[in-house]
Amino acid sequence: DVKVTQSSRYLVKRTGEKVFLECVQDMDHENMFWYRQDPGLGLRLIYFSYDVKMKEKGDIPEGYSVSREKKERFSLILESASTNQTSMYLCASKLAGDRDEKLFFGSGTQLSVL
Amino acid sequence: QKEVEQNSGPLSVPEGAIASLNCTYSDRGSQSFFWYRQYSGKSPELIMSIYSNGDKEDGRFTAQLNKASQYVSLLIRDSQPSDSATYLCAVKGNGQNFVFGPGTRLSVLP
Repeated sequence: DVKVTQSSRYLVKRTGEKVFLECVQDMDHENMFWYRQDPGLGLRLIYFSYDVKMKEKGDIPEGYSVSREKKERFSLILESASTNQTSMYLCASKLAGDRDEKLFFGSGTQLSVL
Repeated sequence: QKEVEQNSGPLSVPEGAIASLNCTYSDRGSQSFFWYRQYSGKSPELIMSIYSNGDKEDGRFTAQLNKASQYVSLLIRDSQPSDSATYLCAVKGNGQNFVFGPGTRLSVLP
């Protein structure tokens, strides 16, 4: 069965801390995505990656960076966490060229920055 | 800024009725359109994708697309309490940026 695993379900950090959110998929998908989901705003794309070592900014990349050293793993980094980064973070992956263009989502990480 | 708009709801329908969910989008270059369902506390899952004008049916679900009006809808026939969830509309252009709407919360009353 298809699986996208996010390392933490809940995370509490302090302002200014460096935060790493990890995502691993076992489907050999080329494309991976990081979204944040906030009430009333829906899912907003932070970064996505076409393939290993390739990344593209999404709609709200400020304050974030990403790393994709291996195909199965896509990491989101908050260089210096701020309270406005408190949110639900969702990782997704997709097979390049998939006819249905289906995104497979992880279970999410609820990050609270105090 | 590409936008996707949905009525946030909640949309309440009685069990067995047809639920109609609507979505409009701003980017005329959008080529692919999707409906995701998200249960409370869970992650979104794809239920329908549509690429050309007209209707696409899958079981109790029908997606409708009108590119001239920049409008996508999802009809759920014979609504069940298990259909109660938030429905997210998403659109995509040539690239890999899926733009999601804020979602419509649907409540199916027994």
